[in-house]
Amino acid sequence: EADIYQTPRYLVIGTGKKITLECSQTMGHDKMYWYQQDPGMELHLIHYSYGVNSTEKGDLSSESTVSRIRTEHFPLTLESARPSHTSQYLCASSAGRAQHFGDGTRLSIL
Amino acid sequence: SQELEQSPQSLIVQEGKNLTINCTSSKTLYGLYWYKQKYGEGLIFLMMLQKGGEEKSHEKITAKLDEKKQQSSLHITASQPSHAGIYLCGADFQGSQGNLIFGKGTKLSVKP
Repeated sequence: EADIYQTPRYLVIGTGKKITLECSQTMGHDKMYWYQQDPGMELHLIHYSYGVNSTEKGDLSSESTVSRIRTEHFPLTLESARPSHTSQYLCASSAGRAQHFGDGTRLSIL
Repeated sequence: SQELEQSPQSLIVQEGKNLTINCTSSKTLYGLYWYKQKYGEGLIFLMMLQKGGEEKSHEKITAKLDEKKQQSSLHITASQPSHAGIYLCGADFQGSQGNLIFGKGTKLSVKP
Protein backbone atom coordinates (compact mmCIF):
# COMPACT_ATOMS: atom_id res chain seq x y z
CA GLU A 1 0.00 0.00 0.00
CA ALA A 2 1.37 3.39 -1.05
CA ASP A 3 2.00 5.97 1.67
CA ILE A 4 0.88 9.23 0.14
CA TYR A 5 -1.32 11.63 2.08
CA GLN A 6 -3.45 14.53 1.03
CA THR A 7 -5.06 17.12 3.27
CA PRO A 8 -7.70 18.29 3.55
CA ARG A 9 -9.96 15.59 2.11
CA TYR A 10 -12.78 18.10 1.62
CA LEU A 11 -12.74 21.88 1.49
CA VAL A 12 -15.61 24.30 0.95
CA ILE A 13 -14.46 27.90 0.81
CA GLY A 14 -15.48 31.28 -0.53
CA THR A 15 -14.30 33.03 -3.67
CA GLY A 16 -11.09 35.02 -3.43
CA LYS A 17 -9.48 33.00 -0.64
CA LYS A 18 -5.94 31.67 -0.86
CA ILE A 19 -5.85 27.87 -0.67
CA THR A 20 -3.02 25.40 -0.21
CA LEU A 21 -3.62 21.70 -0.80
CA GLU A 22 -1.08 19.50 0.95
CA CYS A 23 0.52 16.33 -0.40
CA SER A 24 3.15 14.28 1.39
CA GLN A 25 4.72 10.91 0.67
CA THR A 26 6.95 8.80 2.88
CA MET A 27 8.39 6.54 0.18
CA GLY A 28 11.26 8.79 -0.91
CA HIS A 29 9.90 9.00 -4.45
CA ASP A 30 11.58 11.60 -6.64
CA LYS A 31 8.74 12.23 -9.04
CA MET A 32 5.44 13.75 -7.88
CA TYR A 33 2.32 14.87 -9.76
CA TRP A 34 -0.89 16.85 -9.37
CA TYR A 35 -3.98 15.92 -11.37
CA GLN A 36 -7.39 17.55 -11.66
CA GLN A 37 -10.46 15.36 -12.14
CA ASP A 38 -14.04 16.48 -12.74
CA PRO A 39 -16.89 13.98 -12.17
CA GLY A 40 -17.08 11.38 -14.93
CA MET A 41 -14.07 12.80 -16.68
CA GLU A 42 -10.49 11.70 -17.11
CA LEU A 43 -7.61 12.88 -14.97
CA HIS A 44 -5.65 15.82 -16.35
CA LEU A 45 -2.04 16.45 -15.33
CA ILE A 46 -1.61 20.03 -14.07
CA HIS A 47 1.86 19.95 -12.44
CA TYR A 48 4.73 17.57 -11.91
CA SER A 49 8.15 17.53 -10.33
CA TYR A 50 11.27 15.43 -10.97
CA GLY A 51 12.70 16.18 -7.53
CA VAL A 52 13.65 18.97 -5.15
CA ASN A 53 13.53 22.43 -6.76
CA SER A 54 12.02 20.99 -9.95
CA THR A 55 8.50 21.94 -11.05
CA GLU A 56 6.87 21.65 -14.47
CA LYS A 57 3.46 22.51 -15.89
CA GLY A 58 1.36 19.64 -17.14
CA ASP A 59 -0.96 19.24 -20.09
CA LEU A 60 -3.88 21.15 -18.59
CA SER A 61 -3.42 24.85 -18.02
CA SER A 62 -3.98 25.72 -14.39
CA GLU A 63 -3.94 28.91 -12.34
CA SER A 64 -2.41 26.99 -9.46
CA THR A 65 1.26 26.94 -8.49
CA VAL A 66 3.39 24.27 -6.83
CA SER A 67 6.65 24.07 -4.95
CA ARG A 68 9.09 21.24 -4.12
CA ILE A 69 11.41 22.28 -1.33
CA ARG A 70 11.55 18.82 0.24
CA THR A 71 11.40 15.42 -1.45
CA GLU A 72 8.40 14.31 0.56
CA HIS A 73 6.26 17.44 0.20
CA PHE A 74 4.54 18.85 -2.92
CA PRO A 75 1.91 21.47 -2.02
CA LEU A 76 -0.42 23.09 -4.53
CA THR A 77 -1.55 26.70 -4.06
CA LEU A 78 -4.39 28.75 -5.49
CA GLU A 79 -3.80 32.45 -4.77
CA SER A 80 -7.40 33.50 -5.30
CA ALA A 81 -9.98 30.75 -5.54
CA ARG A 82 -12.81 30.97 -8.07
CA PRO A 83 -15.88 28.75 -8.65
CA SER A 84 -14.17 27.40 -11.81
CA HIS A 85 -11.56 25.80 -9.52
CA THR A 86 -14.20 23.48 -8.05
CA SER A 87 -12.93 19.97 -8.75
CA GLN A 88 -11.16 16.96 -7.26
CA TYR A 89 -7.37 17.28 -6.99
CA LEU A 90 -5.28 14.12 -6.86
CA CYS A 91 -1.62 13.88 -5.92
CA ALA A 92 0.62 10.99 -6.99
CA SER A 93 4.24 9.93 -6.71
CA SER A 94 6.48 7.41 -8.45
CA ALA A 95 9.93 5.88 -8.16
CA GLY A 96 9.69 3.96 -11.44
CA ARG A 97 6.87 4.20 -13.93
CA ALA A 98 3.83 3.15 -11.91
CA GLN A 99 2.27 6.10 -10.08
CA HIS A 100 0.73 5.79 -6.64
CA PHE A 101 -2.10 8.11 -5.64
CA GLY A 102 -3.39 9.79 -2.52
CA ASP A 103 -7.09 9.86 -1.63
CA GLY A 104 -7.60 13.29 -3.18
CA THR A 105 -8.98 16.65 -2.07
CA ARG A 106 -12.49 17.56 -3.13
CA LEU A 107 -12.56 21.34 -3.45
CA SER A 108 -15.73 23.43 -3.70
CA ILE A 109 -15.53 27.18 -4.22
CA LEU A 110 -18.70 29.09 -3.42
CA SER B 1 -2.77 14.13 -29.59
CA GLN B 2 -2.75 10.81 -27.78
CA GLU B 3 -6.07 9.57 -26.49
CA LEU B 4 -7.30 6.57 -24.61
CA GLU B 5 -10.80 5.27 -25.23
CA GLN B 6 -12.42 3.01 -22.68
CA SER B 7 -15.45 0.80 -23.25
CA PRO B 8 -18.01 0.34 -22.02
CA GLN B 9 -18.61 3.59 -20.13
CA SER B 10 -20.61 1.71 -17.52
CA LEU B 11 -21.43 -1.87 -16.77
CA ILE B 12 -23.91 -3.57 -14.45
CA VAL B 13 -23.38 -7.28 -13.86
CA GLN B 14 -24.87 -9.90 -11.60
CA GLU B 15 -22.58 -11.19 -8.89
CA GLY B 16 -20.69 -14.23 -10.12
CA LYS B 17 -20.63 -13.19 -13.77
CA ASN B 18 -17.50 -12.52 -15.79
CA LEU B 19 -16.85 -9.19 -17.47
CA THR B 20 -14.34 -7.45 -19.72
CA ILE B 21 -13.34 -3.78 -19.97
CA ASN B 22 -11.36 -2.47 -22.92
CA CYS B 23 -8.87 0.34 -23.37
CA THR B 24 -7.75 1.44 -26.83
CA SER B 25 -4.99 3.84 -27.82
CA SER B 26 -4.74 5.74 -31.07
CA LYS B 27 -0.95 5.25 -31.02
CA THR B 28 1.49 2.58 -29.89
CA LEU B 29 1.96 2.99 -26.20
CA TYR B 30 5.02 2.50 -24.03
CA GLY B 31 3.26 1.18 -20.94
CA LEU B 32 -0.33 0.53 -19.95
CA TYR B 33 -1.55 0.92 -16.36
CA TRP B 34 -4.81 -0.22 -14.81
CA TYR B 35 -6.24 1.52 -11.76
CA LYS B 36 -9.40 1.20 -9.69
CA GLN B 37 -11.11 4.22 -8.15
CA LYS B 38 -13.95 4.33 -5.67
CA TYR B 39 -16.18 7.36 -6.07
CA GLY B 40 -14.56 10.51 -4.66
CA GLU B 41 -11.35 8.73 -3.69
CA GLY B 42 -7.88 8.19 -5.07
CA LEU B 43 -6.69 5.60 -7.55
CA ILE B 44 -5.49 2.16 -6.50
CA PHE B 45 -2.79 0.72 -8.74
CA LEU B 46 -3.72 -2.71 -10.13
CA MET B 47 -1.26 -3.70 -12.86
CA MET B 48 1.28 -2.43 -15.35
CA LEU B 49 1.80 -3.99 -18.79
CA GLN B 50 4.81 -3.20 -20.92
CA LYS B 51 5.40 -5.87 -23.52
CA GLY B 52 3.24 -6.74 -26.50
CA GLY B 53 1.22 -9.85 -25.71
CA GLU B 54 1.85 -9.54 -21.97
CA GLU B 55 -0.73 -10.86 -19.54
CA LYS B 56 -0.85 -10.39 -15.77
CA SER B 57 -3.24 -11.65 -13.11
CA HIS B 58 -4.00 -10.63 -9.57
CA GLU B 59 -6.63 -12.66 -7.73
CA LYS B 60 -9.63 -12.70 -10.08
CA ILE B 61 -8.47 -9.85 -12.33
CA THR B 62 -6.49 -10.48 -15.52
CA ALA B 63 -5.12 -7.79 -17.80
CA LYS B 64 -3.74 -8.29 -21.29
CA LEU B 65 -1.90 -6.07 -23.75
CA ASP B 66 -2.16 -6.84 -27.46
CA GLU B 67 0.87 -7.51 -29.65
CA LYS B 68 0.65 -4.09 -31.31
CA LYS B 69 0.57 -2.38 -27.90
CA GLN B 70 -2.51 -0.35 -28.75
CA GLN B 71 -5.23 -2.21 -26.90
CA SER B 72 -5.63 -3.69 -23.45
CA SER B 73 -8.40 -5.63 -21.78
CA LEU B 74 -9.20 -6.13 -18.13
CA HIS B 75 -11.14 -9.29 -17.32
CA ILE B 76 -12.81 -10.04 -14.01
CA THR B 77 -13.82 -13.62 -13.31
CA ALA B 78 -16.76 -14.42 -11.02
CA SER B 79 -17.39 -10.79 -10.06
CA GLN B 80 -18.12 -9.82 -6.46
CA PRO B 81 -19.62 -6.65 -4.93
CA SER B 82 -16.08 -5.71 -3.82
CA HIS B 83 -15.13 -5.35 -7.50
CA ALA B 84 -17.53 -2.42 -7.92
CA GLY B 85 -15.93 0.92 -8.71
CA ILE B 86 -14.45 2.87 -11.58
CA TYR B 87 -11.68 1.22 -13.60
CA LEU B 88 -9.28 3.55 -15.37
CA CYS B 89 -6.55 2.80 -17.82
CA GLY B 90 -3.54 5.07 -18.10
CA ALA B 91 -0.72 5.02 -20.61
CA ASP B 92 2.61 6.59 -21.33
CA PHE B 93 4.22 6.95 -24.73
CA GLN B 94 7.70 7.34 -26.14
CA GLY B 95 8.84 10.84 -25.29
CA SER B 96 6.15 11.49 -22.68
CA GLN B 97 8.79 11.52 -19.91
CA GLY B 98 6.78 9.02 -17.92
CA ASN B 99 3.73 11.27 -17.69
CA LEU B 100 0.45 9.39 -18.06
CA ILE B 101 -2.74 10.14 -19.90
CA PHE B 102 -5.93 8.48 -18.70
CA GLY B 103 -9.16 7.19 -20.16
CA LYS B 104 -12.49 8.42 -18.77
CA GLY B 105 -13.04 5.20 -16.87
CA THR B 106 -15.58 2.38 -16.79
CA LYS B 107 -18.06 2.40 -13.94
CA LEU B 108 -18.73 -1.14 -12.73
CA SER B 109 -21.71 -2.07 -10.55
CA VAL B 110 -22.11 -5.62 -9.25
CA LYS B 111 -25.61 -6.64 -8.18
CA PRO B 112 -25.76 -9.14 -5.30
